[in-house]
Amino acid sequence: QVTLRESGPALVKPTQTLTLTCTFSGFSLSTNGMCVSWIRQPPGKALEWLARIDWDDDKFYRTSLKTRLTVSKDPSKNQVVLTMTNVDPVDTATYYCALGTNWRGPLHFWGQGTLVTVSS
Amino acid sequence: DIQMTQSPSSLSASVGDRVTITCRASQSISTYLNWYQQKPGKAPYLLIYDASSLQSGVPSRFSGSGSGTDFTLTISSLQPDDFATYYCQQSYSVPPDLTFGGGTKVEIK
Repeated sequence: QVTLRESGPALVKPTQTLTLTCTFSGFSLSTNGMCVSWIRQPPGKALEWLARIDWDDDKFYRTSLKTRLTVSKDPSKNQVVLTMTNVDPVDTATYYCALGTNWRGPLHFWGQGTLVTVSS
Repeated sequence: DIQMTQSPSSLSASVGDRVTITCRASQSISTYLNWYQQKPGKAPYLLIYDASSLQSGVPSRFSGSGSGTDFTLTISSLQPDDFATYYCQQSYSVPPDLTFGGGTKVEIK
């Protein structure tokens, strides 16, 4: 059974760095084709894809946020970590991690999401 | 970047109605188009992938069609559990840049 769970701070101050962790089970991120994406959703707004890390350690980022995002993985801990630098109140959102099983495939499994508020 | 435009942004329908939601891509994406359902306070849930393939466990009243730039999600007979927001998403871009549509909220009439 595949599960993903996001964790991180609920409140972050502007200009700080946000670090989110996706802890997963039921699959190995070392398996060919597996990829974990981060997606966010501001309150009342649409979904926005942020970044992805693949089984072979390839990394991809949303163009407009590329300079602020870093994604990494720790297969031994079954974790994927997303860092976002210099956060702003517009970064307030629910952040999700999700699993894809092939390079151009859909996001099959999602975590429950974690709400991050950016405020002083 | 590929833009995804959904219409309508919201609709009101009754139980038993046939509902159609459209999604248009700013350039051809072949059939790399996926549909998700999201209920308030919950994560999105995959309904349809590759434009027309039904995800395992999804009721057969849901169907998807289209290729190139124009796609549709159809609910053949709306059920109470189907009132939710629906998103399309393209997975065509190389390198990956998984754009979502703006969403369609299906409300009770």
